[in-house]
Amino acid sequence: GAVVSQHPSRVICKSGTSVKIECRSLDFQATTMFWYRQFPKQSLMLMATSNEGSKATYEQGVEKDKFLINHASLTLSTLTVTSAHPEDSSFYICSARKPGQGSTEAFFGQGTRLTVV
Amino acid sequence: GEDVEQSLFLSVREGDSSVINCTYTDSSSTYLYWYKQEPGAGLQLLTYIFSNMDMKQDQRLTVLLNKKDKHLSLRIADTQTGDSAIYFCAESQTGANNLFFGTGTRLTVIP
Repeated sequence: GAVVSQHPSRVICKSGTSVKIECRSLDFQATTMFWYRQFPKQSLMLMATSNEGSKATYEQGVEKDKFLINHASLTLSTLTVTSAHPEDSSFYICSARKPGQGSTEAFFGQGTRLTVV
Repeated sequence: GEDVEQSLFLSVREGDSSVINCTYTDSSSTYLYWYKQEPGAGLQLLTYIFSNMDMKQDQRLTVLLNKKDKHLSLRIADTQTGDSAIYFCAESQTGANNLFFGTGTRLTVIP
């Protein structure tokens, strides 16, 4: 398998502040990473696709100015929730796909539970 | 758009078999996945099946795909208390890129 590490696992922040979540592929290089959001008792919704060296692709309805994504290297993508509000409280999960022909498996991080108070 | 549905809850007794069902609407789905999520944790890939397959077995896990009815199931044999978790099915046209998830089925194993 492959390892994707997400940090922090839990964060509590005050309303109006910004929070950065990191997603690292530890034993492979990932040109593309994905950010998902999971609401309580609901499924995961793809927020954006993070591309190394270029701008992220956001899904419809996701505010790109609020959820800033930076994929600065082949092993790190970051999601910054800017000016966080209580409604941003959620479980955020990243995933990465191992490169290579025929790769069909996505590896997920442990997730980050964000609570905005 | 793509729609993936699952029943929300399933309870089984330890040692029995569990069957978790999933239906999807996208006829061009190529890859179908089952993920397990334990409380407060990320997703663990359990298994996946290509759309040109009918069945895949991996130890206690059996995946059945009825492509005509767009129905996917996951059977867990000899269910253990450690199998208690939320199980998500997911589909994709392009492999591990854009995954569309079902609502998740919370499996509770009763000792």
